[in-house]
Amino acid sequence: ETGVTQTPRHLVMGMTNKKSLKCEQHLGHNAMYWYKQSAKKPLELMFVYNFKEQTENNSVPSRFSPECPNSSHLFLHLHTLQPEDSALYLCASSQSLGGYDTIYFGEGSWLTVV
Amino acid sequence: EDQVTQSPEALRLQEGESSSLNCSYTVSGLRGLFWYRQDPGKGPEFLFTLYSAGEEKEKERLKATLTKKESFLHITAPKPEDSATYLCAVQRVNYGGSQGNLIFGKGTKLSVKP
Repeated sequence: ETGVTQTPRHLVMGMTNKKSLKCEQHLGHNAMYWYKQSAKKPLELMFVYNFKEQTENNSVPSRFSPECPNSSHLFLHLHTLQPEDSALYLCASSQSLGGYDTIYFGEGSWLTVV
Repeated sequence: EDQVTQSPEALRLQEGESSSLNCSYTVSGLRGLFWYRQDPGKGPEFLFTLYSAGEEKEKERLKATLTKKESFLHITAPKPEDSATYLCAVQRVNYGGSQGNLIFGKGTKLSVKP
């Protein structure tokens, strides 16, 4: 059982659709992350939030828009995506950004863009 | 450039056949090295963190070791349920305002046949 919950687990969307991915962590952590995992590629960091404030945007296209209303919830808003954006999107959290903190991952949201 | 390389890409073992997975890294300043296990369609599951050369950690049939340039994940007498992709990641020391985050390798896909 994971302390990081992601919904939906699977999403199929057209290139003109707007959808959102949701993440909730039950671990009392202060930092949250979005990662992208594509076939045959390492996990890629997309965004980092610390105490609701975005601290890192890893050159992610603007068609991906993150939102962090509080330390427990993180959203990834999707609009006008491309087929190459199809991937597993992983949410993660850690106690803090500094220190020796482990990053814990959710189960991921499988996104298919058609 | 910071980099993490895992080898082999795929490994097939017979049940009970011990082996090792390799993670070599180049990073400007290592805060920690992480091992994760990822089952198909799921998020990475944390296994170990190693912080300094010479450190070792064990969990059931798994043992992780760390040198100044690489880490090994030793699997002793593996069982079919150990089949998964094993991911290695390094966390860099923070410099100035930049936040340390995980740099992942592509993973080693382990298959253990009964």
